[in-house]
Amino acid sequence: DAGVIQSPRHEVTEMGQEVTLRCKPISGHDYLFWYRQTMMRGLELLIYFNNNVPIDDSGMPEDRFSAKMPNASFSTLKIQPSEPRDSAVYFCASSLILGFSDTEAFFGQGTRLTVV
Amino acid sequence: AQSVTQLGSHVSVSEGALVLLRCNYSSSVPPYLFWYVQYPNQGLQLLLKYTSAATLVKGINGFEAEFKKSETSFHLTKPSAHMSDAAEYFCAVTSTSGTYKYIFGTGTRLKVLA
Repeated sequence: DAGVIQSPRHEVTEMGQEVTLRCKPISGHDYLFWYRQTMMRGLELLIYFNNNVPIDDSGMPEDRFSAKMPNASFSTLKIQPSEPRDSAVYFCASSLILGFSDTEAFFGQGTRLTVV
Repeated sequence: AQSVTQLGSHVSVSEGALVLLRCNYSSSVPPYLFWYVQYPNQGLQLLLKYTSAATLVKGINGFEAEFKKSETSFHLTKPSAHMSDAAEYFCAVTSTSGTYKYIFGTGTRLKVLA
């Protein structure tokens, strides 16, 4: 498997523009996570899905952020409108929960977002 | 609620010296615990994990960690540091029941001195 695939790897956009980040999880995984990494706040969990259904979006910073998972092989994180403080590295991760004995999250390479 | 605390945002060791990165967890249910490593401009890679089997867990690249319930700790060690170990290390916790979200610590940047 190619692992978790994120696109784009880098995104530079102007304040006020819409930004869409994309993620393809590992085939067969039933959990998908979106994280944001900044120097100030570290790795923050934004939202996660189980079998394409959002389970916990309490980490989404505000209504400008939205995430969808229309099918098991694709998820998007959208920021509209974007602001400079959204600049960060956004990671997608996926996991397969096999009972209670085996679990780990596999991470993509991340998308570095810069809002100017 | 679950959380992890990593003591020391920066740790420096000499090449060949012992590496010790500290992690303490808080969890109301038995936890699963993980150590991940992140190299510059890359995603996170699993080093090792504790999922309620052996309390001493061996991972990749010579790292190991010991789960100590009495101390609520899961410290990461390596007997002899190598220059290639320079990276950022994250401790993470998830639940053994119900929700499976991974909560990460703030990370420890390891510097290896020649």
